[in-house]
Amino acid sequence: KNQVEQSPQSLIILEGKNCTLQCNYTVSPFSNLRWYKQDTGRGPVSLTIMTFSENTKSNGRYTATLDADTKQSSLHITASQLSDSASYICVVSAQAAGNKLTFGGGTRVLVKP
Amino acid sequence: NAGVTQTPKFQVLKTGQSMTLQCAQDMNHEYMSWYRQDPGMGLRLIHYSVGAGITDQGEVPNGYNVSRSTTEDFPLRLLSAAPSQTSVYFCASSFNTGELFFGEGSRLTVL
Repeated sequence: KNQVEQSPQSLIILEGKNCTLQCNYTVSPFSNLRWYKQDTGRGPVSLTIMTFSENTKSNGRYTATLDADTKQSSLHITASQLSDSASYICVVSAQAAGNKLTFGGGTRVLVKP
Repeated sequence: NAGVTQTPKFQVLKTGQSMTLQCAQDMNHEYMSWYRQDPGMGLRLIHYSVGAGITDQGEVPNGYNVSRSTTEDFPLRLLSAAPSQTSVYFCASSFNTGELFFGEGSRLTVL
């Protein structure tokens, strides 16, 4: 069964500090992995997409990494800001009919001043 | 630039009532889908459509119906609401299997 596990479930960091979120998956055959940011009361918005051949991709202060061998991805937030307070969702796509998506449970990040 | 529009944003129903959550997108996306999001759980797929006239069941389809008569619209119908359907519902669309664009969500409470 395809699964996506995210850790930690939640974390609190001080403004200006860095943090790293983890995503482990067992989706096969792998197509791509996306990180979404979901602000409270809003719909998720895509941050990055990683394909099999990509190791690192950045979007401003967000940097995603992918290790396709160990089936792990991370999202690193640099110099956190209050606006980074949100849930971050890892979504993995399988190379199958309809490219089925498997969602992680998300990591809730709270940035405190 | 409307993107994906969901209505209503909030709804309270009594057990047994029926209702329709509306979803419209103006990006000419072929793929549209409905998810529910519950505390402590990830987004779960209810129904999806890969084009007008084509719909299929997702992970948790029981108690919900959908139709796709046009590319733009993908309504979700609750036939007989139950307290277990209290949730936040998200509609999303994409080009085939690309980036999902989500609506702002519809918060449903069933008493």
